[in-house]
Formats: sequence, structure tokens, C-alpha cells
Amino acid sequence: RKEVEQDPGPFNVPEGATVAFNCTYSNSASQSFFWYRQDCRKEPKLLMSVYSSGNEDGRFTAQLNRASQYISLLIRDSKLSDSATYLCVVSGVNFNKFYFGSGTKLNVKP
Amino acid sequence: EAGVTQSPTHLIKTRGQQATLRCSPISGHTSVYWYQQALGLGLQFLLWYDEGEERNRGNFPPRFSGRQFPNYSSELNVNALELEDSALYLCASRSRGDTQYFGPGTRLTVL
Repeated sequence: RKEVEQDPGPFNVPEGATVAFNCTYSNSASQSFFWYRQDCRKEPKLLMSVYSSGNEDGRFTAQLNRASQYISLLIRDSKLSDSATYLCVVSGVNFNKFYFGSGTKLNVKP
Repeated sequence: EAGVTQSPTHLIKTRGQQATLRCSPISGHTSVYWYQQALGLGLQFLLWYDEGEERNRGNFPPRFSGRQFPNYSSELNVNALELEDSALYLCASRSRGDTQYFGPGTRLTVL
């Protein structure tokens, strides 16, 4: 079983739509959680860290559910520039390793 | 503040050769992680260095090795290159916090 699992998509949505991604992780001892975005053939860039209390950054909201071991990302009012692959990332104990999901591809259409 | 830098940007080698990839972390970051991302696939963890020591390695053969220098920069060496080693190699650095920041990567092509 993979440490982090994501729906690969693609999610094809019109501009202005709200879209949600989920990700599940297998190790209950996982320490920190993140969403990164990766544009084609570029490096991943941190979108946001994810906390149990939930956190919001503009149009983006992330949530962590430790009991069910899943992480979510909600994007409101999608823009064309949001088109990218979104990576769910989970750290091991003491940051000895970071586990990356295979990514969820988002295409925002005009 | 300068970000993570990697060199070279592109590297072309032939089977059996050795490749050396370099990474300079963000100033003040002591941890460096190396990842391999083959085309169309996810990031696979290779190595973690912290304070000059190898702290963890992923499920890769011993021909993937590296080191971290006193200035916290790092080098990844891949010996006896195989065609399937062709990939984007990403380096990330981390300070005492929990967030990694990535460099632009080195694209290795093995012919």
C-alpha cells in the first residue's frame, strides 16, 4: 500500500468553479502535512501547510482529519492559472522522510 | 533571500558513466533532501542529509550516493548509469521547521 494516495484526475473545471481534492495517508504517526503545486516540468512549490484546525489562504482552504487519515484541499473561484498538478505531502517522524502522493491534475478551462 | 540552487540544469550521459549533481540549500538550512521524478511519475525519496550526515535513504541501489559538505551544500552521485535513471532530480532544503523548499532540478538524460 502506498504511503500517500491521491486521485490522479484530471479534474477539468470551468473558471470560477469550486473544486476539492482529497488525499489519504497510511501512517498514523505522520507528523506534518502539506499541499504543493507542480507545474509541468518544474519544481514543486509550497501551496500551504495543513493543520488539524484547518487553514485558509485566500481562495485555498486545507483541512486535516487525523482520525480518518485524510487531507483535503478546496479551491474556490478557480482561475486559469490554477491549472497544475497538486501534490499531497506527508512527513515521517522527525522529518526523516517526506512522502509524496502522485499528484492530482487540475485543468481550469475558460 | 536566494532560494535553493541546483547545477547543472541539464546533464546528458551515456550508459555506464557517472553523474554528479549539486545542490546549494537556502542560507541557514541544514537539511538537504534528494528526490527522483521520472517522467509522468511522482517524487521518489532518495536521500536525506542533515548536519553533514546521511540520515536516511530511500529504496534505491547503492550506486546512488551522496554527501553533504560543511557549508551544507550537497552532491548526489549516480554510478554506472542506466537508461531508467533518466529523470528530473530535485533537491529540497529545510531549516529547523517542517517545510521543504525545492530547487529547480537537474534533468538527467541517459543515452
